[in-house]
Amino acid sequence: GQQVMQIPQYQHVQEGEDFTTYCNSSTTLSNIQWYKQRPGGHPVFLIQLVKSGEVKKQKRLTFQFGEAKKNSSLHITATQTTDVGTYFCAGKAGNTGKLIFGQGTTLQVKP
Amino acid sequence: NAGVTQTPKFQVLKTGQSMTLQCAQDMNHEYMSWYRQDPGMGLRLIHYSVGAGITDQGEVPNGYNVSRSTTEDFPLRLLSAAPSQTSVYFCASSYMGTAEAFFGQGTRLTVV
Repeated sequence: GQQVMQIPQYQHVQEGEDFTTYCNSSTTLSNIQWYKQRPGGHPVFLIQLVKSGEVKKQKRLTFQFGEAKKNSSLHITATQTTDVGTYFCAGKAGNTGKLIFGQGTTLQVKP
Repeated sequence: NAGVTQTPKFQVLKTGQSMTLQCAQDMNHEYMSWYRQDPGMGLRLIHYSVGAGITDQGEVPNGYNVSRSTTEDFPLRLLSAAPSQTSVYFCASSYMGTAEAFFGQGTRLTVV
C-alpha cells in the first residue's frame, strides 16, 4: 500500500539556523500537504502542493513538490523558537480521500 | 463555529472493555477520518469515510469499527480494548478529497 517516509525524525538547531525536512512517497501523489503540530496540540494545516515541481513560500517557509510528484521538502530559513513542533507531510494518491501521513520531523530550537 | 469536536478528551479503559470515541463536525464536510498517533510512528490512518453510509479501512483498522450514518458524525468503536490501543486518537474532516484536513483536539486513551 501507499507509504510516506519522512526524515529526519528529530532535528535540534540553534535559533537562526536553517532546517529542512524531506518526504518521500512509494507512489505518485495527486497532492501533498504539510501540517504543523505544536507540543500537546493537534495537527494544523500549513499548505498544499498540487503541481509537479511546484514551489510555494510562506514567509520563512519554503515548500517544494518534486517533478515526479513522489517527494517533497519543507525548508525553514533562520529558525525561531516559535517554529518548535512536529512537521508532517501527508500525501493523497488518486481521489480516494485517503490521506497518508509521514512519521513527522520534530524540531527543537535552542534560543 | 465549533469545527471538529472530539469527546472524551481523556479515557482510561481496562483490557477487554469497549467504548466509543465520538467525533462531530459542523462544516458539512464529506470526508472524515480517524488517526492514531504513537511516538515515532506519526499519524496512522485507522478508518475513513467519503460520505454518509460509506466507510473504508485505512492503514491500521484491526480492532476498530466505524459507521457514518450522518454527515456530521463519525464515531470510532473499540470492541475489546487492548493495551496496544493505548494512543492519542485524532478525528479529521475535510471538504472534498483534496482539501485541507481539520483536526479535532484529540482523545488520549490509556488501556490498562
